[in-house]
Amino acid sequence: AQSVTQPDIHITVSEGASLELRCNYSYGATPYLFWYVQSPGQGLQLLLKYFSGDTLVQGIKGFEAEFKRSQSSFNLRKPSVHWSDAAEYFCAGARNTGTASKLTFGTGTRLQVTL
Amino acid sequence: KAGVTQTPRYLIKTRGQQVTLSCSPISGHRSVSWYQQTPGQGLQFLFEYFSETQRNKGNFPGRFSGRQFSNSRSEMNVSTLELGDSALYLCASSPGGGMNTEAFFGQGTRLTVV
Repeated sequence: AQSVTQPDIHITVSEGASLELRCNYSYGATPYLFWYVQSPGQGLQLLLKYFSGDTLVQGIKGFEAEFKRSQSSFNLRKPSVHWSDAAEYFCAGARNTGTASKLTFGTGTRLQVTL
Repeated sequence: KAGVTQTPRYLIKTRGQQVTLSCSPISGHRSVSWYQQTPGQGLQFLFEYFSETQRNKGNFPGRFSGRQFSNSRSEMNVSTLELGDSALYLCASSPGGGMNTEAFFGQGTRLTVV
């Protein structure tokens, strides 16, 4: 069965520090991969996506993610965190059948930013 | 371009009642997917509709159903509500056809069952 794992439930970083959120996937073939962010009581906003090609993908708000097939990982990074980045982050995967209309989500990582 | 619109934003229902949630996708998008988000189970896929037909289905009981209209708007219905149905219900729209398309989410409907 397909699965997406986010090993870290909660991470705290200082404003200005770098950030890396981990995501591992288990799919029969390389899936589509996504990172979404959710503020309290809100919907999900797409940060970035990987379909194929370049393994380093750039997203919005200064985020990037690197796809590593050998490690089945798709970790999210940001060089300098801002207080407004505090939110919950979800990694998601979908079978690479053309459309990402059935997503499997990780359990999420809650990011806290200290000033 | 308007985003995904879900109505209502908040609902309070009594156990045993039924409820209908609505989702209007991004203009031109033909696929609508529904997800349930709870603290215990996280984000779980309910079902997807494409061109008025259910194309994918998650592992939820038959009390959860949906439909899609010719204008791609979708409704989700939950009958005989249980306390455990309290959740944030999220709708996502995507073009539905072709390759390499992502899903865009609405703000969700917060359902509380008392």
